[in-house]
Formats: sequence, structure tokens, C-alpha cells
Amino acid sequence: AQTVTQSQPEMSVQEAETVTLSCTYDTSESDYYLFWYKQPPSRQMILVIRQEAYKQQNATENRFSVNFQKAAKSFSLKISDSQLGDAAMYFCAYRSAETSGSRLTFGEGTQLTVNP
Amino acid sequence: DGGITQSPKYLFRKEGQNVTLSCEQNLNHDAMYWYRQDPGQGLRLIYYSQIVNDFQKGDIAEGYSVSREKKESFPLTVTSAQKNPTAFYLCASSIIGQGIETQYFGPGTRLLVL
Repeated sequence: AQTVTQSQPEMSVQEAETVTLSCTYDTSESDYYLFWYKQPPSRQMILVIRQEAYKQQNATENRFSVNFQKAAKSFSLKISDSQLGDAAMYFCAYRSAETSGSRLTFGEGTQLTVNP
Repeated sequence: DGGITQSPKYLFRKEGQNVTLSCEQNLNHDAMYWYRQDPGQGLRLIYYSQIVNDFQKGDIAEGYSVSREKKESFPLTVTSAQKNPTAFYLCASSIIGQGIETQYFGPGTRLLVL
């Protein structure tokens, strides 16, 4: 079974600064997908960024980028120019590509605080 | 607007009572999922369905039941057998058979026990 680990229960960053959230995962599969979701106080889960494991290029979405290290099974999220609205719980998630419609496996989450 | 709706936003359950959480999507997604979130924890899969009239158990299916009579709807019933139902419940949906199959989530239902 796959597992996802987020070793930082809490992180904080100053507004306009850069922060990196860590995520590692364990799998024996070679083809899979990785995701970062954001959960603000409203508790709505919002997709931040996603990465296909077969792609070597790191995904980027505006101020959000990932550092995907397949051999190390690491998938960290970098937030540049942090804004107050980035404050939220961030979840890393894994999905197997071997079966369509398969489930997401989530990490425990990292609570990000943005200080003005 | 296309999206996923969940109702009610808050739900109260009495001892021995079954309650049903609604999840509807108009995204024409094939698959639908139910997750449970406890305070300070990640999401755990309860049930999922890839096609109408078929569904599979997730990691914590005991005390829950589902149905998938229509593509758009995937209601979750929390039965009296679920001894600790207080949690936040999230429904998600995705297209299947087309690459990354990103799951999109509804706004959630908070279930509390009286």
C-alpha cells in the first residue's frame, strides 16, 4: 500500500517571502500522479498543482511550483511571494496510474501561517 | 455553474439514527468518492464508485453505506453501526480513463452527534 508523509505539521512564512512544504511518499509503482491540495478555513479542498510521475519537468502554476525527485520519492511544494490568502492547510496526495478511477492517498497535512 | 454540491452543510445525528449526506455533481464525471476528515488529520476514503450501480469499499467503510443510482448522485448513509461519526465529510468526483483524473471536491458536510 502507498503511504504519504508530510513531516511538517506547521510552517510559517512572512508575507512576500518564499516557503517550501515537504512531502515524501512510498510506493512500488512506477507510474502515478501527485497532487497538492489547499484547504482554507472554509474547509473547501482546492487543487493547487499536480504532477505526472513520468514527466521529468517540474510542474508550475503561477507562484506555486514543485520539486519532484522521483528517485528520492519526494514532492515538495514551493510558494513564492507568499500572500495572506495562502494561509491554509496543505495536503499532499498520491494516486496510482495503474487503475482508472483509483483513490487518492493523503498525507496528514501542513498548516501554513502567513505573517503580515 | 458546473460543480459539486453537498447538503446539508451541518447535520446532527441522534443515537441510533441513520442519516444521509447528499452529493450531486453536474460535471458529467464518471467516478465519485466519499472521504472522511477528522480534526488535524488527512482524508480517508470511505467508498467510491466508478460507474452507476457499482461501488467499492475504501479504508473505513464499516458503518457506512452508499448507492449510485444516477451518474450525478452519490449519497452516503451514516448508519447507527458507525459509533464515532463526528467528522467532516467530503465528496469528490473525477473523469476516468483520461490521464491524470484529477479529483475535485464539494464544500463538505459537518456531522455532529447529539
